Amino acid sequence: QITLKESGPTLVKPTQTLTLTCTFSDISVSTTDAGVGWIRQPPGKALEWLAVIYWAEDKRYRPSLKSRLTITKDTAMNQVVLTMTNMDPVDTATYYCVVLSAVVRAAAFDIWGQGTLVTVSS
Amino acid sequence: QSALTQPASVSGSPGQSVSISCTGPTSYIGSYDLVSWYQQQPGKGPKLIIHDVNRRPSGVSDRFSGSKSGNTASLTISGLQTEDEGDYYCCSYAGTWVFGGGTRLTVV
Repeated sequence: QITLKESGPTLVKPTQTLTLTCTFSDISVSTTDAGVGWIRQPPGKALEWLAVIYWAEDKRYRPSLKSRLTITKDTAMNQVVLTMTNMDPVDTATYYCVVLSAVVRAAAFDIWGQGTLVTVSS
Repeated sequence: QSALTQPASVSGSPGQSVSISCTGPTSYIGSYDLVSWYQQQPGKGPKLIIHDVNRRPSGVSDRFSGSKSGNTASLTISGLQTEDEGDYYCCSYAGTWVFGGGTRLTVV
């Protein structure tokens, strides 16, 4: 059973860059058919997809945030890192790391981390 | 603003069936059978309950079913139970992903 763990700051200041790390437990995620991504949820609001990286290095970004997002992976460390620049209070949300496995044709989010709340405030 | 439209809320009594609709542009729901649904119980993280329009992941109750017609996908929950209360989100893939605004299910 794959487990995911998000880590990063709980509080960032406006204009700062957010760096979140997802560490996963099972090397089988590192197959060309699988992907790892990030989804966020502002308090009391809907889910928002942010970015996905496939193990073949294919990367996808939310169009409206593409200029601010970067997703990378460290295969040796079993980690995926998301950076978001120029943080604003509207970016306050719970950020979830997710896996898109080959079981769901890497087109759905079948494994979720517990989420980490990031607050943007001065 | 969400690209997929869901009703804000639905309700039903224990044992009844309810359906939640999800309407989106042809470029998403209408073009690919890659619609997924997620359940988020109060205070918990989301959980995948349907993928590829109508497929259930292992361990998900067969009371949950999905379908699609044209630009509208639907989630049906039969034999409602109190534990089904929560928020439900549809999601569609077409190179990138879009979620619906979510539907709050109340079991009264």
